[in-house]
Amino acid sequence: AQSVTQPDIHITVSEGASLELRCNYSYGATPYLFWYVQSPGQGLQLLLKYFSGDTLVQGIKGFEAEFKRSQSSFNLRKPSVHWSDAAEYFCAVGGGRDFNKFYFGSGTKLNVKP
Amino acid sequence: DAGITQSPRHKVTETGTPVTLRCHQTENHRYMYWYRQDPGHGLRLIHYSYGVKDTDKGEVSDGYSVSRSKTEDFLLTLESATSSQTSVYFCAIKDRGQETQYFGPGTRLLVL
Repeated sequence: AQSVTQPDIHITVSEGASLELRCNYSYGATPYLFWYVQSPGQGLQLLLKYFSGDTLVQGIKGFEAEFKRSQSSFNLRKPSVHWSDAAEYFCAVGGGRDFNKFYFGSGTKLNVKP
Repeated sequence: DAGITQSPRHKVTETGTPVTLRCHQTENHRYMYWYRQDPGHGLRLIHYSYGVKDTDKGEVSDGYSVSRSKTEDFLLTLESATSSQTSVYFCAIKDRGQETQYFGPGTRLLVL
């Protein structure tokens, strides 16, 4: 069965510190992988996506993510967090035979300390 | 901006009443989706559409129906609302060329 796991429900980092949000997936085909960000009371905004090719992908707002097939992971990183990055982050998987459907993780809430 | 609007943006209703939420898009996308978002569950797919009059169920479709009579509108109906359907509902479109979903602003529904 297709599923996405985000093991960390809440993460707190200091402004300027590095960030890594974890995402693991279970998928029966070559996955398309996505990270979205949601600010409070807002919709979801696409940060980045991976379909194929280079396993390190760059996104908006200085975020990057690395696809590791052997670990079924697609972790999101940022070298230096800004206070405006405080939000909830969702990992999603789609593609393959079920290509019309996406599956989302339960989200990770990021808090940034001044 | 994927040209997606949702209406209403907020709604309070009573148990047992019917409710219809509307998703409208302006860019002629073929695929449209309805999700609900609840704390601890992320987004869960309710129904989706792959064309006019073509719809399919998602993982949490019980108690919901959908209709798509024209490309730009995708309606979600709660036939008889229950308190368990209190949630935030998001509409999304899939850009076929990019195989990526883009989301509307959401509708907050409270069922008393």
